[in-house]
Amino acid sequence: AQKVTQAQTEISVVEKEDVTLDCVYETRDTTYYLFWYKQPPSGELVFLIRRNSFDEQNEISGRYSWNFQKSTSSFNFTITASQVVDSAVYFCALSGGWDGGSQGNLIFGKGTKLSVKP
Amino acid sequence: DSGVTQTPKHLITATGQRVTLRCSPRSGDLSVYWYQQSLDQGLQFLIQYYNGEERAKGNILERFSAQQFPDLHSELNLSSLELGDSALYFCASSPRTSRTDTQYFGPGTRLTVL
Repeated sequence: AQKVTQAQTEISVVEKEDVTLDCVYETRDTTYYLFWYKQPPSGELVFLIRRNSFDEQNEISGRYSWNFQKSTSSFNFTITASQVVDSAVYFCALSGGWDGGSQGNLIFGKGTKLSVKP
Repeated sequence: DSGVTQTPKHLITATGQRVTLRCSPRSGDLSVYWYQQSLDQGLQFLIQYYNGEERAKGNILERFSAQQFPDLHSELNLSSLELGDSALYFCASSPRTSRTDTQYFGPGTRLTVL
């Protein structure tokens, strides 16, 4: 079975602190895709990044960086110098596997609510 | 703006009623996915359509159904509504039906069943 675990339910930091959001996944597939989405208070889901299982290079985009470690089945997300606008719920997701017939639906973790205080 | 549109934004109705949620995918996208977000269940996949055909089914109740029309817009029909159906319903779209595709989400429809 496929599963995504985000153990941190809520995190609160003060502006300019660095924060890491953890994501651990389970899958039997050898090829899979991992995603991060952001859900700000307004409610929409905003795509942040996609990573395939063969690419273990870390990725940096501005203040955001992602660390993918296949050996520990983790895909962690770090925000450097956090800002109030980063306050949101962040979801890690795994693309559905081929067993069971699913083609590409996403399996989401429960999300981590990040609050950045000024 | 993801390019995916959903209407209505909010819907308030009573138990036992039937509602229809509408989704227009991004231009060029052939796949539409429906997800339900509730406090107890989190974000759950309901159903996927690809170019008019049902492609995958998740935890969708029998009281719920969906379809995708020739112009590729999709509708999710919820009937015999119960209090527990109150949730945020998202539509997402992607170019094909591959796991390599990124799904872009619409703004959601918040359904409240009283």
